[in-house]
Amino acid sequence: DVKVTQSSRYLVKRTGEKVFLECVQDMDHENMFWYRQDPGLGLRLIYFSYDVKMKEKGDIPEGYSVSREKKERFSLILESASTNQTSMYLCASSLSPAVTDTQYFGPGTRLTVL
Amino acid sequence: AQSVTQPDIHITVSEGASLELRCNYSYGATPYLFWYVQSPGQGLQLLLKYFSGDTLVQGIKGFEAEFKRSQSSFNLRKPSVHWSDAAEYFCAVVAEKLTFGTGTRLTIIP
Repeated sequence: DVKVTQSSRYLVKRTGEKVFLECVQDMDHENMFWYRQDPGLGLRLIYFSYDVKMKEKGDIPEGYSVSREKKERFSLILESASTNQTSMYLCASSLSPAVTDTQYFGPGTRLTVL
Repeated sequence: AQSVTQPDIHITVSEGASLELRCNYSYGATPYLFWYVQSPGQGLQLLLKYFSGDTLVQGIKGFEAEFKRSQSSFNLRKPSVHWSDAAEYFCAVVAEKLTFGTGTRLTIIP
């Protein structure tokens, strides 16, 4: 089974802090994704990566950056956290760059910014 | 641009009753369609997907969905729900990228 793990289930940070969310997948998948999930808005794509050191902006990249130094690990960075970034963050991976490939999701990190 | 609509924010059904969750999409060509489920405290899990062929698709956990091009719909069904089916359900469509609906929360009452 594919396993996608996220470093924290719950995180509380203060406004202005730099925040790192880590995601690791164990199935040698090419693609990795970061989404945020908010009530009434569903899932919105922040960034994705189709290869090491490659990244593409999603629908809502403002205020975020990403890093993919190794194939299995994809990090989401909030350079200066703000209260409107309080949300559930979901990481996903898929085997190939094909958009039709099934995405496998981690359990999520619930981030609260005070 | 592609989009997907889930008209029902919250649905409550009795255990053992049948279930239908609605999904409508907007896309010019033949879409690729998915249903995902998110159990409490969990990430999303793929239930089923439709790419082409038979318009009635079988998935895991006893779910099925039917693609109806004339209605631009891809509704999810289950003949008899179990308490463990309580979760949030997301429909998604792929054109240039995967786009999710806003989700339907399912509550099961004994």
